[in-house]
Amino acid sequence: GNSVTQMEGPVTLSEEAFLTINCTYTATGYPSLFWYVQYPGEGLQLLLKATKADDKGSNKGFEATYRKETTSFHLEKGSVQVSDSAVYFCGAQGGSEKLVFGKGTKLTVNP
Amino acid sequence: GAVVSQHPSRVICKSGTSVKIECRSLDFQATTMFWYRQFPKQSLMLMATSNEGSKATYEQGVEKDKFLINHASLTLSTLTVTSAHPEDSSFYICSAPLGQGGNQPQHFGDGTRLSIL
Repeated sequence: GNSVTQMEGPVTLSEEAFLTINCTYTATGYPSLFWYVQYPGEGLQLLLKATKADDKGSNKGFEATYRKETTSFHLEKGSVQVSDSAVYFCGAQGGSEKLVFGKGTKLTVNP
Repeated sequence: GAVVSQHPSRVICKSGTSVKIECRSLDFQATTMFWYRQFPKQSLMLMATSNEGSKATYEQGVEKDKFLINHASLTLSTLTVTSAHPEDSSFYICSAPLGQGGNQPQHFGDGTRLSIL
């Protein structure tokens, strides 16, 4: 089945810093890839997705590119804000496979 | 707006009580829903797949008799934690795919914080 490995945190950055959270996957075939965000005390929200190789998902200044050659889907943002503080989950889902998550990365952005 | 509604958002009850959590899909039908448990160090564990009109599929290590799942309609799945004990205290989250096909993104409820005294 599919599996996802993401950078373990916590990650602490200053406002306007550059963010990268690494995510790699293993899968038989070509899963769809997702980044979800969880704000304190809430459920998960879909942040962005990519369904095939070289697709770039983007939302709210975040981007991630589906790299088949490196089986990666790293999340990036050029300038983080305090409001981006949350836990970020990388996920992979393909065909009849269930959605599998990485362990989550907690991001704290300080003013 | 929210596409999956989960209720209640918080429950505090005594040990031995059974607790029911509802997960509703809003304005769409969900033949499949998923139930997760989130542990303190933030990792999400898939507990079971809820299937409308048939039995739920439980993940290895999840007690079927402890965590009863009923998917009675195309918009409602319920998770009942039976005879809850303090070790069942956790954050429970449901999700449903919006649309057909195995690659559709999941939409999540806001979670239920269960605290057993």
